[in-house]
Amino acid sequence: ETGVTQTPRHLVMGMTNKKSLKCEQHLGHNAMYWYKQSAKKPLELMFVYSLEERVENNSVPSRFSPECPNSSHLFLHLHTLQPEDSALYLCASSQLQGGNEQFFGPGTRLTVL
Amino acid sequence: QKEVEQNSGPLSVPEGAIASLNCTYSDRGSQSFFWYRQYSGKSPELIMFIYSNGDKEDGRFTAQLNKASQYVSLLIRDSQPSDSATYLCAVSPAHSSASKIIFGSGTRLSIRP
Repeated sequence: ETGVTQTPRHLVMGMTNKKSLKCEQHLGHNAMYWYKQSAKKPLELMFVYSLEERVENNSVPSRFSPECPNSSHLFLHLHTLQPEDSALYLCASSQLQGGNEQFFGPGTRLTVL
Repeated sequence: QKEVEQNSGPLSVPEGAIASLNCTYSDRGSQSFFWYRQYSGKSPELIMFIYSNGDKEDGRFTAQLNKASQYVSLLIRDSQPSDSATYLCAVSPAHSSASKIIFGSGTRLSIRP
């Protein structure tokens, strides 16, 4: 595997379900990010992990819960979501000591029924 | 005022011509500037980054930065139909924590044969 991978690529869930999105980076980076991209809206930063520590939480509802067990893996745990949470969820990684170029995974297309 | 502003387009350019995409930003202390290309249904792909005033060329792409005017642009020479995509400008603001970057809402580019 190379770059940034995300699983699953597509997810359909009901409002009462609990699911998790997984991201893995194979670039040796030390910062990871979750973004949300809704139709016709700009990318919204959700969470930033720097050296496995959460350093940014952009007023995201508590029904989204991130977890970063090590510098290569990032999870987004989902529970009791709303239909308006349907979007493309993107993971990215970067190297802090450098130009901070962020590299994105392919995303998870989430649909909440 | 939005932190990163782009014209949403669509910008229509004939094949073989130069496409010019523009972006302005509000934080005068911003240090790093990025251009991402995003095809419909796909994740953003980093195509250029620039840190210093002036021009930076990479193949058919040229990024131009003018910090005094708080303006960054992307030129695409010899435009091809495969260049049709949404182009996202992103800026790393001076006040941000960790490695946060702010994205514009993107400009949709269409190359007509």
